[in-house]
Amino acid sequence: GENVEQHPSTLSVQEGDSAVIKCTYSDSASNYFPWYKQELGKRPQLIIDIRSNVGEKKDQRIAVTLNKTAKHFSLHITETQPEDSAVYFCAAGRTGANNLFFGTGTRLTVIP
Amino acid sequence: KAGVTQTPRYLIKTRGQQVTLSCSPISGHRSVSWYQQTPGQGLQFLFEYFSETQRNKGNFPGRFSGRQFSNSRSEMNVSTLELGDSALYLCASSPGSRGPNEKLFFGSGTQLSVL
Repeated sequence: GENVEQHPSTLSVQEGDSAVIKCTYSDSASNYFPWYKQELGKRPQLIIDIRSNVGEKKDQRIAVTLNKTAKHFSLHITETQPEDSAVYFCAAGRTGANNLFFGTGTRLTVIP
Repeated sequence: KAGVTQTPRYLIKTRGQQVTLSCSPISGHRSVSWYQQTPGQGLQFLFEYFSETQRNKGNFPGRFSGRQFSNSRSEMNVSTLELGDSALYLCASSPGSRGPNEKLFFGSGTQLSVL
């Protein structure tokens, strides 16, 4: 089955700096890679996703890159703000399949 | 549209008991998936229901079961509870058509504590 590894487990950055979270996956058949943000005590919410037919996708301060050959993908947050503080989860799966395989999460703290 | 609703929000049970959790998907969504979230383990897939049928299953023991009703509401049951079952149980809904733009929407979860 699919195995997703996520690093680092914790990350602290100064406000305004960039944050990068990296994930690797094992199943070459995976073609859908979403990222979820979970604030303390709240539900995970999809913030961005990428499919294997593209290498990069941006949405304002958030970008995700995918290297299908190396089986890794990354989340980049620029100009971080205190409200970016949360746990971020990467996941891998197949388009339309609801059995996503999640990484173990990265706790991001943005220091004002 | 109302979001995914899970009840109850918190549950405390003792070992050996059984528990039933409920999930109401977003109106019009026909797929409901269940995930277990524990500290350090991330989210682990339990099963998915679509049109009252289990469409996919994760690697959990048979003590974990579920069902879906004709109105797409889903329930998850855990029998003979163990201490290790303490976790946040999340359900997620999606339209279920398995199209390329289908996304999962999560509920707030049920926090289960087994004593």
